[in-house]
Amino acid sequence: EVQLVESGGGLVQPGSSLKVSCVASGFTFSTYVIHWFRQAPENGIEWLAYINTDRTWTHYAETVKGRFTISRDNAKNTVDMQLSSLRSEDTAMYFCARESPGMGFDHWGQGVMVTVSS
Amino acid sequence: DIVMTQGALPNPVPSGESASITCQSSKSLLHSNGKTYLNWYLQRPGQSPQLLIYWMSTRASGVSDRFSGSGSGTGFTLKISSVEAEDVGMYYCQQFLEYPLTFGAGTKLEIK
Repeated sequence: EVQLVESGGGLVQPGSSLKVSCVASGFTFSTYVIHWFRQAPENGIEWLAYINTDRTWTHYAETVKGRFTISRDNAKNTVDMQLSSLRSEDTAMYFCARESPGMGFDHWGQGVMVTVSS
Repeated sequence: DIVMTQGALPNPVPSGESASITCQSSKSLLHSNGKTYLNWYLQRPGQSPQLLIYWMSTRASGVSDRFSGSGSGTGFTLKISSVEAEDVGMYYCQQFLEYPLTFGAGTKLEIK
């Protein structure tokens, strides 16, 4: 069974950093592009970033470029995202998802909550 | 950025009736390869999004044939025939033509 499990969320102060992680199982992780999304409370879905299979290419939304860094470890079936210089508007549920090549996101994690507040 | 605009539903929709959700994109999502890069997702309350339709009209694996997608380059429709209680949630369209990937604001489906 394909599974994606996020972890690492919590309550942090503005300006601080946090790492969220996504551990995958049930499929050949190294052959899939992984993306991160977020959803603020009662809001829609925002795409944040992706990393390709061999870590040679990453791409970010302008809202997080320069503050968030995505990385992956194919030996550990993990994709991390380092969140820095956090702002109150970064408060959201963060999801990782597997891309079915060109076809959309066919598996999502359950999400991890990040709250930025003083 | 490509802006995705979704229409509303006349909620609540009576169980067993059909429901159609519209989505418009600010740019044609028709690629030169002939595919239209428009996806539909359902997010049930308290759950993660679930892929329903990709390439505008292809049902994802395991998705009921009560769901169908159609449209042109910039205007799209997700039709749910004979809505059921399990269809309740937020429906999102999403373009996969170019980055940044963008979603519509969502359309809520309630069942009577």
